[in-house]
Amino acid sequence: GESVGLHLPTLSVQEGDNSIINCAYSNSASDYFIWYKQESGKGPQFIIDIRSNMDKRQGQRVTVLLNKTVKHLSLQIAATQPGDSAVYFCAENVWRDDKIIFGKGTRLHILP
Amino acid sequence: DAGVIQSPRHEVTEMGQEVTLRCKPISGHNSLFWYRQTMMRGLELLIYFNNNVPIDDSGMPEDRFSAKMPNASFSTLKIQPSEPRDSAVYFCASIGAGGPYEQYFGPGTRLTVT
Repeated sequence: GESVGLHLPTLSVQEGDNSIINCAYSNSASDYFIWYKQESGKGPQFIIDIRSNMDKRQGQRVTVLLNKTVKHLSLQIAATQPGDSAVYFCAENVWRDDKIIFGKGTRLHILP
Repeated sequence: DAGVIQSPRHEVTEMGQEVTLRCKPISGHNSLFWYRQTMMRGLELLIYFNNNVPIDDSGMPEDRFSAKMPNASFSTLKIQPSEPRDSAVYFCASIGAGGPYEQYFGPGTRLTVT
């Protein structure tokens, strides 16, 4: 499984710098949001999630920010490493509904 | 657990042939999803099952596509007849009873229809 060479927006970041990946979601009823990472040859992998009653959540080196007013989500990766190179997807969900809708994705490219 | 298992990993077939993709979800997970990933459309949900019952198949592109889940540990996605525009990577994913938190994806099947 690969990301099939998607023509995606690409963010190029110097190794060690912080990365910010942005996402706009579409459904005002969505109340649960997830960021996924997809490395070459693999399926998407869960990174971090956030419920709509929060505007920030932190994990290990990652932070997700949610702005419900403008339906915007961002993923911040601190001290970007070569292993962070991947395609990142935001996804939205209406809580208690198993259906998850994925965004188009952003390719993160790490410069040495 | 071995995670979500998909087979085959790669499939090359000629237009008009039947293609069957297979998925084994994580043991104990009660929801199973089939996605298709293409350059043009990104990651699309085709169909999902809950407790082996199809819940939403609105993403299935047309009647050539069908999916079954005969038991909790196995699902198939069938394309008959296949067309070149079906070429994509097909992912299977499963979720446990806790909900969409941590949906686990399989490695995908890359399908090429010539």
